[in-house]
Amino acid sequence: ITLKESGPTLLRPTQTLTLTCTFSGFSLNTTRMGVGWVRQPPGQALEWLALIHWDDSKRFSPSLEKRLTITKDTSKNAVVITMANMDTADTATYYCAHIPLGLFDWFGPWGQGILVTVSS
Amino acid sequence: DIVLTQSPLSLPVSPGEPASISCRSNQNLRHSNAQEYLHWYLQKPGQSPQLLIYLGSHRASGVPDRFSGSGTGTHFTLKINRMEAEDVGVYYCMQSLDSITFGQGTRLDIK
Repeated sequence: ITLKESGPTLLRPTQTLTLTCTFSGFSLNTTRMGVGWVRQPPGQALEWLALIHWDDSKRFSPSLEKRLTITKDTSKNAVVITMANMDTADTATYYCAHIPLGLFDWFGPWGQGILVTVSS
Repeated sequence: DIVLTQSPLSLPVSPGEPASISCRSNQNLRHSNAQEYLHWYLQKPGQSPQLLIYLGSHRASGVPDRFSGSGTGTHFTLKINRMEAEDVGVYYCMQSLDSITFGQGTRLDIK
């Protein structure tokens, strides 16, 4: 199983971030599979953002829910997350990760991460 | 919100010596299905996090058996029975019972 994040690495404040997680080795058509997103500001701890399951059920971080959307494209083996109204405090490395057993929701393999910088 | 508190925050360990990291939750992480929704990850320097332990005590595929997880309810422990140089990094606990939250991390290095 491999995952890779892609998207812009530099954003201006107030812009919307769109990141794509492209994966191989599993399918979101398979029962219990899922993909989650986690971010890590430089030198800080991990922070969960959102996840999506095989059945299109979704969970969001309560503190960020109003700014987030998450969708899946099973034909492309991809999951897309958007975060609106970006701020300098959202500067972080963004990771996607495989969820091998949805509803338990631990993260298996992770992508390499993408550093997103928000600066004016 | 479920808050996870790890201790210590930093731990120097000599090669071959044991190491132990604590993760305490402000809420019970035992589901009605009797599983503990607490997981452990290691983030080696410059790398993405990797899964070590899931559901409290289950070692992930490929994880050396010197790593073990234990605990129930609100107190969990990750143990390394013999520290090796490749174990250096930041260890995180994570709960997935109610939303998902991570501990603040414990930095493990070689003494």
